[in-house]
Amino acid sequence: AQSVAQPEDQVNVAEGNPLTVKCTYSVSGNPYLFWYVQYPNRGLQFLLKYITGDNLVKGSYGFEAEFNKSQTSFHLKKPSALVSDSALYFCAVREAGTASKLTFGTGTRLQVTL
Amino acid sequence: KAGVTQTPRYLIKTRGQQVTLSCSPISGHRSVSWYQQTPGQGLQFLFEYFSETQRNKGNFPGRFSGRQFSNSRSEMNVSTLELGDSALYLCASSFAGEETQYFGPGTRLLVL
Repeated sequence: AQSVAQPEDQVNVAEGNPLTVKCTYSVSGNPYLFWYVQYPNRGLQFLLKYITGDNLVKGSYGFEAEFNKSQTSFHLKKPSALVSDSALYFCAVREAGTASKLTFGTGTRLQVTL
Repeated sequence: KAGVTQTPRYLIKTRGQQVTLSCSPISGHRSVSWYQQTPGQGLQFLFEYFSETQRNKGNFPGRFSGRQFSNSRSEMNVSTLELGDSALYLCASSFAGEETQYFGPGTRLLVL
């Protein structure tokens, strides 16, 4: 069975500082990894994904994520946080070769303050 | 391209009633998945349809069902509603299920 862990319920960071939102995963085979963001009363918005290739993946709005196979991690990062980045972030995994079913983490609330 | 659309956006029902939610995928996408989001259980996979066939199913009771039409639009139905069915129901589409899933805005269901 596949699973995702997001160990932090909330991450607080000051605007302009770098941010990291942590994610670790477990799958039997090769993972497809995703990050989504959710703003209040909205659906999930796709940020970036890792399928194969470079371990550093760049996505929307200046976000990037680093895939680390040995640590089974896929942490989301941004060099300089904005107040508008404040939202709920979800990491998700799907095992390569399996259709569609995404398993999500519990979500991490990012709070960026001035 | 237009994104995934879901109707209605908000719904209030009473226990014992049934409800049907609708999802129109991004044009050209043939896979539609449904998820339930609640504060207690988080995001949980309900089922996935591809080319009018249910291809994958999560661990939900038989009261939750769905279907997909030839134009890839999908509906999900919940019968005999319970208070615990109150949730945000999210629909996601992808070309064939293996790629990125794009989510709609969701339907917020409140069961009284």
